[in-house]
Amino acid sequence: ETGVTQTPRHLVMGMTNKKSLKCEQHLGHNAMYWYKQSAKKPLELMFVYSLEERVENNSVPSRFSPECPNSSHLFLHLHTLQPEDSALYLCASSYTGGEQFFGPGTRLTVL
Amino acid sequence: AQSVTQLDSQVPVFEEAPVELRCNYSSSVSVYLFWYVQYPNQGLQLLLKYLSGSTLVKGINGFEAEFNKSQTSFHLRKPSVHISDTAEYFCAVSPQANNAGNMLTFGGGTRLMVKP
Repeated sequence: ETGVTQTPRHLVMGMTNKKSLKCEQHLGHNAMYWYKQSAKKPLELMFVYSLEERVENNSVPSRFSPECPNSSHLFLHLHTLQPEDSALYLCASSYTGGEQFFGPGTRLTVL
Repeated sequence: AQSVTQLDSQVPVFEEAPVELRCNYSSSVSVYLFWYVQYPNQGLQLLLKYLSGSTLVKGINGFEAEFNKSQTSFHLRKPSVHISDTAEYFCAVSPQANNAGNMLTFGGGTRLMVKP
């Protein structure tokens, strides 16, 4: 695998479910990001990890919980989501201060 | 804080015609500027970036953009488009003084629709 990978590519969940999104980067980067892409809205930065420490949390609801166990992996744990959380969730990675490389995204549908 | 405005949500154009996608930004600090492209069911791919130096930047797939500091613009251009250029295009900025990753602020996107 090369670049940034995300699994699953598609996810359908109920509002009471707990699920996790996974992102893995094979580029040797030291910063990773979660974005939310909704229809009709600009890409929203959710979380930033640099050197495995969270450095940015853009007022994201607590039903989204990120985890960065090492510089290559990033998770987004989901629980008690709302239908308006349905979106494409994009992961990206970079060297600190460098350009970001994006994964293909996970299309999330909350019923 | 930064903000990015892409004035056109959709731009229809015929194949082999020139195209310009507009981007204006607002920032109280100096910024880096980027254009990304997103093909259907894919993530974002970097087209080009302006960090410093020449204000005319050339990117992949024949695209170029010009940074205009006085007009706070970074418009994307291509002299002759192909059907395969049909995609969503995003302009983004990040503050230059940032040691904790590249904090990108994106515009709303412009859907380029190339017609035969």
